[in-house]
This record gives sequence, C-alpha cells and structure tokens, in this order.
Amino acid sequence: RKEVEQDPGPFNVPEGATVAFNCTYSNSASQSFFWYRQDCRKEPKLLMSVYSSGNEDGRFTAQLNRASQYISLLIRDSKLSDSATYLCVVNEGTFGNEKLTFGTGTRLTIIP
Amino acid sequence: EPEVTQTPSHQVTQMGQEVILRCVPISNHLYFYWYRQILGQKVEFLVSFYNNEISEKSEIFDDQFSVERPDGSNFTLKIRSTKLEDSAMYFCASGRGDEKLFFGSGTQLSVL
Repeated sequence: RKEVEQDPGPFNVPEGATVAFNCTYSNSASQSFFWYRQDCRKEPKLLMSVYSSGNEDGRFTAQLNRASQYISLLIRDSKLSDSATYLCVVNEGTFGNEKLTFGTGTRLTIIP
Repeated sequence: EPEVTQTPSHQVTQMGQEVILRCVPISNHLYFYWYRQILGQKVEFLVSFYNNEISEKSEIFDDQFSVERPDGSNFTLKIRSTKLEDSAMYFCASGRGDEKLFFGSGTQLSVL
C-alpha cells in the first residue's frame, strides 16, 4: 500500500521562529512531490513543488531525499498567517493523470 | 484569479438517496478530478477524468459513483445510493496536465 507519513503535530511556534516538517513516502517509484497547505475546513492549496536539488520560494524551502524517501519543508521567519495544516503530497500518477496521495498533514499554529 | 467552483457548499441527504455534486473547473483546464476528505482524515483520490473518459479511479470509486461532463463547463459526481460512510467533504480539482491541481472549496456531504 502506498503511503505518505507525516507527524500530525501540533507544532506551536512563536512568531518569527523557524519551523521544519518532515514526511516519508513508501513508493520508491514516485516522481513528483509537493507541499500543500490546508486551512481549517477549506480546500488544499498548492504551496510548492519539491525538487531533488531543493527549492526555495521566499521564506519556504523544500528538500527531497530520494535515497531516504524523505521530503522536508522549512519555514523561516514564521508569520501568524502561516498557521495551517501542511500536507505532504506525492503524485503516484503521471502528467495529466495525476493521482495525488496525501499525508495526514502537520498542524502548525504560530503564536503571537 | 480563475477558480474552481463547487455547488452546493453543503448537502444533507437521507441514506439511500442519490446526490449529484457539481463543479465548474477552470475554463482552460482539460483534466478533472474528484477527491474526498472524511472529517479528521486524509484527502483521498477518487477519480480522474480527461477527454470525456475516466483516466483512473480508486477502490473507493465503486459502482455507486459516476462522473459526467454533461456540457462544456460542468463536471459532476453522482452517488447513486448514499451510505452513511459517504459523509465527507468532496473536492473537485482541475489542471492543465502539469501536475498543478487547483481545488474547489468543496461540498460537505452529510448522509443521515
């Protein structure tokens, strides 16, 4: 069974701090990886794709370790608006036939 | 900014009744999906749809489920005879085939 595992948290972090989440996936054939965020009772929204070389988008940095089947997300200088559930997502399908497998999510609360 | 729209936002139905959940994908997207999220659980893939055909479906998507694109804009999910365990948030998503999926705000289905 193909799984994506995350620490559910919650992570309660003071504003301005740096926080990191990790995720592991079981399907070694997976090719594409993403972080989504989900606010309470809302739809998932794509935060960023994750590439083997690592990639950064503003305060967010994502890393992929294919050998360990491990994905990470780092948030620097956290803001109150970063409070959400962060979903690790693996595409088990192909381009145009995406079949996303979601982790349970890690809940983050930024404390003023 | 274009968005995926879903109606209704809430649907309450009696067990055994048929429900149709409606979605209007983003207009230049060609790939369409349904996902669901039972309260407190992971987002789960149901079905993908392209060129008026199902591309892939999960184990959840049994004979009670069907999808249709009846015209150029709508994409529907029908559940023929609802069960209590069908209660969930149902998310429609669309994409261009570049692995970036855009989700609608969901329909909360409650089966009594």
